Amino acid sequence: DIQMTQSPSSLSASVGDRVTITCRASQTISSYLNWYQQKPGKAPKLLIYVVSSLQSGVPSRFSGSGSGTDFTLTISSLQPEDFATYYCQQSYSIPWTFGQGTKVEIK
Amino acid sequence: EVQLVESGGGLVQPGGSLRLSCAASGFTFSSYEMNWVRQAPGKGLEWVSYISSSGSTIYYADSVKGRFTISRDNAKNSLYLQMNSLRAEDTALYYCARDPSPGDYFDYWGQGTLVTVSS
Repeated sequence: DIQMTQSPSSLSASVGDRVTITCRASQTISSYLNWYQQKPGKAPKLLIYVVSSLQSGVPSRFSGSGSGTDFTLTISSLQPEDFATYYCQQSYSIPWTFGQGTKVEIK
Repeated sequence: EVQLVESGGGLVQPGGSLRLSCAASGFTFSSYEMNWVRQAPGKGLEWVSYISSSGSTIYYADSVKGRFTISRDNAKNSLYLQMNSLRAEDTALYYCARDPSPGDYFDYWGQGTLVTVSS
């Protein structure tokens, strides 16, 4: 199975900050990397698919990059509604696997 | 509007069975691949099972293989997960999620149904 490792596991940031979350795959996954946001008590929400494609309705302050084994999710200017947990997911091979999550908290 | 509504969760004893359902609306269900994804309390996300749009291709996570069965009824716009031989470690919120293949990511999720396995 492909292991997905996110870093950091948690971070504290202020409104307006630029935030970067890293996701590393245990083997190459080409561009089959997706990002989700989950708020407490809610279902996950797709933010970005195949590395950098923004899901419809997602603000442009979210962006993704990377290839092979190393990927990043960037929030260019953190907003109050962005405080949540973020997960990466590889869709390169079965079983599809998620990172352990990165919790973004208010500083 | 795309809607996915899970049901069927509850409290069950170890070794017991449960059948989850997911009612889909707002899109052409028969055209989409579907998945079940679960989340143990306070934990991360774990993919459980996949079914193709026709139902001809099915995959399972090793943790549920041989115990869980995914199925769908395109005439009823419904997805199912039959769970047998349940274990304490199956306790989780179970989400159904739409898969807009190609890509195999999850673009719409239900609100989840909670399965608790405990004596």
